[in-house]
Amino acid sequence: DGGITQSPKYLFRKEGQNVTLSCEQNLNHDAMYWYRQDPGQGLRLIYYSQIVNDFQKGDIAEGYSVSREKKESFPLTVTSAQKNPTAFYLCASSPQGLNTGELFFGEGSRLTVL
Amino acid sequence: GENVEQHPSTLSVQEGDSAVIKCTYSDSASNYFPWYKQELGKRPQLIIDIRSNVGEKKDQRIAVTLNKTAKHFSLHITETQPEDSAVYFCAGTGGGNKLTFGTGTQLKVEL
Repeated sequence: DGGITQSPKYLFRKEGQNVTLSCEQNLNHDAMYWYRQDPGQGLRLIYYSQIVNDFQKGDIAEGYSVSREKKESFPLTVTSAQKNPTAFYLCASSPQGLNTGELFFGEGSRLTVL
Repeated sequence: GENVEQHPSTLSVQEGDSAVIKCTYSDSASNYFPWYKQELGKRPQLIIDIRSNVGEKKDQRIAVTLNKTAKHFSLHITETQPEDSAVYFCAGTGGGNKLTFGTGTQLKVEL
């Protein structure tokens, strides 16, 4: 069953701790993205990667880090430097560049900082 | 970078009525404008998109119009049904290879 899988679905973190969100896709898509969703603010781009071993900052990259060592995987680390990390995080992929097709989203990971 | 503004933030219509959601964008280089629907607790899914060489696109009860001169595009839903209730997001690509989303419209279709 093809798709994009995020884990964990829910995550709780204490202040000062780093946490890594997993995103895996078996769609053979080149491009992958991380968005943050907050009520009333829509989807904001954190990082994106168009090819393995390459990624670019989005609009709100501060306090986050990513890696793209494999085509199928694009993990996101929320570091202690992120001042307001409680949010819903969505991973997405697309076959080529964004100008050529739709984004396929995962089901999301909800992070709560205690 | 691209800036996409979306209105209204909430919209309530009676079942069977039409609903219109409007978006404006800032980057004249934008050439791809998708609309995503997100039902409660679910992932966003593409419902329709339009490219800058087309002025209008229709798919059954939904349609999107694009005015490049004015830099705005709109989603039109006719004969609304309860299952149309969701949050709708517009987006634009800007000149780069990333999507900038609007802030979303909560559509509620009342019986």
